[in-house]
Amino acid sequence: DQQVKQNSPSLSVQEGRISILNCDYTNSMFDYFLWYKKYPAEGPTFLISISSIKDKNEDGRFTVFLNKSAKHLSLHIVPSQPGDSAVYFCAASDSGNTPLVFGKGTRLSVIA
Amino acid sequence: DVKVTQSSRYLVKRTGEKVFLECVQDMDHENMFWYRQDPGLGLRLIYFSYDVKMKEKGDIPEGYSVSREKKERFSLILESASTNQTSMYLCAGSLRAGYGYTFGSGTRLTVV
Repeated sequence: DQQVKQNSPSLSVQEGRISILNCDYTNSMFDYFLWYKKYPAEGPTFLISISSIKDKNEDGRFTVFLNKSAKHLSLHIVPSQPGDSAVYFCAASDSGNTPLVFGKGTRLSVIA
Repeated sequence: DVKVTQSSRYLVKRTGEKVFLECVQDMDHENMFWYRQDPGLGLRLIYFSYDVKMKEKGDIPEGYSVSREKKERFSLILESASTNQTSMYLCAGSLRAGYGYTFGSGTRLTVV
């Protein structure tokens, strides 16, 4: 059973528009959430995170929103750029010393 | 900059061979992880380690073992490589298991 779900395997967006990537989780013990970005033939790199005490965290063009009651988070990229084309992984933690749980990823393509 | 280094970017091995994938981190982190990434399946945890000489099974440990004799080095061993172990293998390190990971660049292993 998947505890972290990214239901859209792929997303295509025009350059300059908003990209919205979604993630749902089932484990109510999760209280820390992260997004990683991965280019082909490279390891994932950390993008942005959010603690459950917040509902929004912003870093430049990237904003993560958390809706605890819906067990849902989303990553917004505004404006989208061709260099944002990558696979994005959502991950969650219960803040204990247990490994992060990752979603299956969403492949974002930003079209010029 | 902190680094996680995986010794090989690409490997081709024969079925039945014993394969060693090496990972070294320079961050003095206690926690280290091995994942594999496959299309449509996301990042799946194979093994992790909280400390030297300690290891814990992840979600898919079958066919793999690990070794951690020194804090900075975490090795993944394929006891008898099979074609279904063809994959991208990713090593990561972290200060705490449930927080941000630093990933290596990955090893693309092909078993023929």
